Amino acid sequence: ETGVTQSPTHLIKTRGQQVTLRCSSQSGHNTVSWYQQALGQGPQFIFQYYREEENGRGNFPPRFSGLQFPNYSSELNVNALELDDSALYLCASSTTGQGYTEAFFGQGTRLTVV
Amino acid sequence: GNSVTQMEGPVTLSEEAFLTINCTYTATGYPSLFWYVQYPGEGLQLLLKATKADDKGSNKGFEATYRKETTSFHLEKGSVQVSDSAVYFCALSGRLTGGGNKLTFGTGTQLKVEL
Repeated sequence: ETGVTQSPTHLIKTRGQQVTLRCSSQSGHNTVSWYQQALGQGPQFIFQYYREEENGRGNFPPRFSGLQFPNYSSELNVNALELDDSALYLCASSTTGQGYTEAFFGQGTRLTVV
Repeated sequence: GNSVTQMEGPVTLSEEAFLTINCTYTATGYPSLFWYVQYPGEGLQLLLKATKADDKGSNKGFEATYRKETTSFHLEKGSVQVSDSAVYFCALSGRLTGGGNKLTFGTGTQLKVEL
């Protein structure tokens, strides 16, 4: 069973640029969620993808967008980067069904905006 | 909306000391409750969970009991080790309109265990 993998592990971007982060979900999981964890804070829910559609969204502006592919992997895109976007971005995979199913997290992508 | 409040850190303990990290929550309905651990430079690992009132989650010597009457889920361990040094996050699950679940996290409590 393969776990959740994210790429790249670290990234440095300039303010105003665009970035794409990638996540491969755990085998057998059909749902991917993205979280932003600022330094010294708890993770904040960005959005979730299920069946290639956005299934729910947190309090993030539209310049945060995503995709889910038929193999359930996912991308997080952030346009017009701001300094405050510097954070650890975590991907979590799970299955959507009745009741709660455990979410498994990847190691994260550390994004630094300069 | 849902929220989680946990005690601020850092918490510094000597090895073999007793650990308590307090966590209280506000939520609609009956969420599942979790403790996650984050070691330096790593992602989140699920430590334990409880899905209904009075359930006790336990793992690796850590325990937490889902207390609906006090809306609490305090983490405890009888004897901590240096290897327990990490950041601990309390979290709850909330239902999304599309049928999935999202996690709402506290701000985290850093634990440092010294010899």
